[in-house]
Order: sequence, then structure tokens, then C-alpha cells
Amino acid sequence: DADVTQTPRNRITKTGKRIMLECSQTKGHDRMYWYRQDPGLGLQLIYYSFDVKDINKGEISDGYSVSRQAQAKFSLSLESAIPNQTALYFCATRGAGSAEAFFGQGTRLTVV
Amino acid sequence: GENVEQHPSTLSVQEGDSAVIKCTYSDSASNYFPWYKQELGKRPQLIIDIRSNVGEKKDQRIAVTLNKTAKHFSLHITETQPEDSAVYFCAASTPWGNDMRFGAGTRLTVKP
Repeated sequence: DADVTQTPRNRITKTGKRIMLECSQTKGHDRMYWYRQDPGLGLQLIYYSFDVKDINKGEISDGYSVSRQAQAKFSLSLESAIPNQTALYFCATRGAGSAEAFFGQGTRLTVV
Repeated sequence: GENVEQHPSTLSVQEGDSAVIKCTYSDSASNYFPWYKQELGKRPQLIIDIRSNVGEKKDQRIAVTLNKTAKHFSLHITETQPEDSAVYFCAASTPWGNDMRFGAGTRLTVKP
């Protein structure tokens, strides 16, 4: 769904570096999510946000931080990347009047 | 928080056979149960969902059943086709809730 856009699509970074993954949406949704996908582990919730003043930890928030700069933008940061953070990261949105979650295209992050 | 378990992790069927994927959840307050399909290299997309006020929902070859007492729900795909091959995720949430937790996924392979 082109309405949820993630940048970059692919990124290789070195251990210890800070990296930011960005998500923007044009759907007007208030809820935004960051998920991590590892093979065999499904989609694990990292952080979620109800609005710009609301940030909540998910299942695996350690080592990550987020920023909700505006209703349409939700960024995920790895302050000091480590190899076991190598994964596929998805941003998703949900509207107040809709239960369906819409996903971005994903960001494949490799930490070497 | 909610914990969703999904079985099996892999499933291989012959074209034309049926496939069944099962999920259990822990939070009795959850009342919205979607299923997402993720094709290789693509983002997850909603294929069907069910709310707790109904026990079954059908959409062509796909059906979902819910047993709230036992806290489990299932996805049924009949007359499977090769294009049904994908990873399927179940999830549990409240419709207007802020977080959505996913199962670990089932990799379905339909052999021609």
C-alpha cells in the first residue's frame, strides 16, 4: 500500500552506529506501529503510538527508541546497532475508525 | 499483554486440498482477530477478520472460526491453489485498541 512509506528500503550498517528508520503515511491514521520480523518469529511489536504525545513500549523495545514527529511520521532509532538487530522492520498504521492495519513495504536492516 | 500462539509453523498441502491454521490467545479482553497473508518479499495484507460477536465468517474459499470460551480461532482455506502459498499470520487485539500482537506465522506451501 503506497500510503505507508518506509525509508530506507535496505540498509547495511556497522556495529555501534546509530541508525534511524523512517515511516510516513498519508492515510490520516492516528495509530502507528513498528514491528520486527525474524524468520520463524513472526511480527514482534517494538513500539506503538496513539498520537504525537503517546509512545508505548511493545514486546521487544530494548535497544530501540522512537519519535512521533507528527501524526503522519513515526521514526525508529537504533542508538547503537548490534548484529542481532539484523532483521526486516515494518511500520504499520491503523485508523480510529478501522481495525485493519496497513503495512509499509519494510526495511531490511543488516548490522555487520 | 496479549500472547498469541500459532500452529503449525509450516504446512504443505496438495493443490485442491484444505488447509487449517490454528491460533490461541491469552487476553480474554481481545475481541478482534485478523488474519494476514504475506507473500514472498511483500508486506503483510489483511485477508479476513472476525470480531467476538460472531463464531464464523466466510469469504469465498477462506473462512475463520472463533471459540471465545476456549480462546482459540482458526483459518480454513478450501480448494487450495498454488497462489495461496505464503506466510499467514494471526493476530489479536481490540478493534480500537492501540496494540496488535501477532502469532509467529505459518508458512503454507501448496504443491501443484
